[in-house]
Amino acid sequence: DVKVTQSSRYLVKRTGEKVFLECVQDMDHENMFWYRQDPGLGLRLIYFSYDVKMKEKGDIPEGYSVSREKKERFSLILESASTNQTSMYLCASSRYEKLFFGSGTQLSVL
Amino acid sequence: DQQVKQNSPSLSVQEGRISILNCDYTNSMFDYFLWYKKYPAEGPTFLISISSIKDKNEDGRFTVFLNKSAKHLSLHIVPSQPGDSAVYFCAARFSGNTGKLIFGQGTTLQVKP
Repeated sequence: DVKVTQSSRYLVKRTGEKVFLECVQDMDHENMFWYRQDPGLGLRLIYFSYDVKMKEKGDIPEGYSVSREKKERFSLILESASTNQTSMYLCASSRYEKLFFGSGTQLSVL
Repeated sequence: DQQVKQNSPSLSVQEGRISILNCDYTNSMFDYFLWYKKYPAEGPTFLISISSIKDKNEDGRFTVFLNKSAKHLSLHIVPSQPGDSAVYFCAARFSGNTGKLIFGQGTTLQVKP
């Protein structure tokens, strides 16, 4: 079974802090993704990566950056957390058309 | 601009009956459509998919129908069970893409015992 592991289930941070969300997959997938889920808005793509050190912006990249130094690891960085970044963050990796998601990180920015 | 839309935020069905979840899309360049199921505090899990060259795909109690002329797809669950209560997301992939999926807003299904 594919395993996508997100480092934290719950995180509370202060406005202005730099926040790192880590994600690791164990299936040697080329593609990895970061989405956020908000009520009524569904899942929105923040960034994705199709190879090591390669990244592309998704639909809502503002206020975020990413890092992919190794194939299995994809990190999401909030440079200066703001209250409107309070959300459920979901990491995924893909094989063909199918995405496999981690359990998510519920981030609260106070 | 919402390319994948789920216009019903919620649906309530009696156990044993059919659940029908609907999804509309606007872009003809999508080549795969998928349904995901999500329980609270968990990540979405893949349920069923359909290629744009097909009009039906069935897996046990779950069937997805695709109507390309109407740009509409639906997920049928028969019979519905209380454990099916979850949020269901419709998703679509651009042809030739690196696996990026565009998701709808989700429909919360409640199956009453």
